[in-house]
Amino acid sequence: AQKVTQAQTEISVVEKEDVTLDCVYETRDTTYYLFWYKQPPSGELVFLIRRNSFDEQNEISGRYSWNFQKSTSSFNFTITASQVVDSAVYFCALSRYDGNNRKLIWGLGTSLAVNP
Amino acid sequence: ETGVTQTPRHLVMGMTNKKSLKCEQHLGHNAMYWYKQSAKKPLELMFVYNFKEQTENNSVPSRFSPECPNSSHLFLHLHTLQPEDSALYLCASSRNRGTRADTQYFGPGTRLTVL
Repeated sequence: AQKVTQAQTEISVVEKEDVTLDCVYETRDTTYYLFWYKQPPSGELVFLIRRNSFDEQNEISGRYSWNFQKSTSSFNFTITASQVVDSAVYFCALSRYDGNNRKLIWGLGTSLAVNP
Repeated sequence: ETGVTQTPRHLVMGMTNKKSLKCEQHLGHNAMYWYKQSAKKPLELMFVYNFKEQTENNSVPSRFSPECPNSSHLFLHLHTLQPEDSALYLCASSRNRGTRADTQYFGPGTRLTVL
């Protein structure tokens, strides 16, 4: 089965805390892509990162970092020194090819509340 | 990149109304998508267009009718909807549906309420 699990439904932190959002995926594909998107209250899904299955290097972008571990099928997202503006729903997704089309398999999202 | 716009942002309609949602992308992409987002459910892909041709229809009821006149514009025509169709409808675009690394960019969505 192709599946993305975001076990944390809701997380609440106080500003400046570090927070990690978990993403675990299942796939039989050898080549695939993983994505993270942010959905603030305005509704728009904002693309954050794309990572291919052959690149296990961790990535850092400002206060955001991603840890991809193929051995545990995880692609976790950490926000360092969280800010109120980070409050949003965060989605992890897996891109795969089903023989006809490329599809994104989405997790249910993690709602992050950063309180002042 | 935030070059996908959607109108209207909010829509309330009765079950007998006919309305249309509009999406426009300014990114020079060739693929466009309609998604439905309901509470507590994964994002549902409804329709995909690649170079103006519909390439995917995920068993969407015929009361939803997409139209893609060109690679920059996508419409979703709505008629005789049901209350369970109330949701956030998101439009997305990507460079080319056929490439493995294709990244989708989303608009702000239309919040639809069916009374």
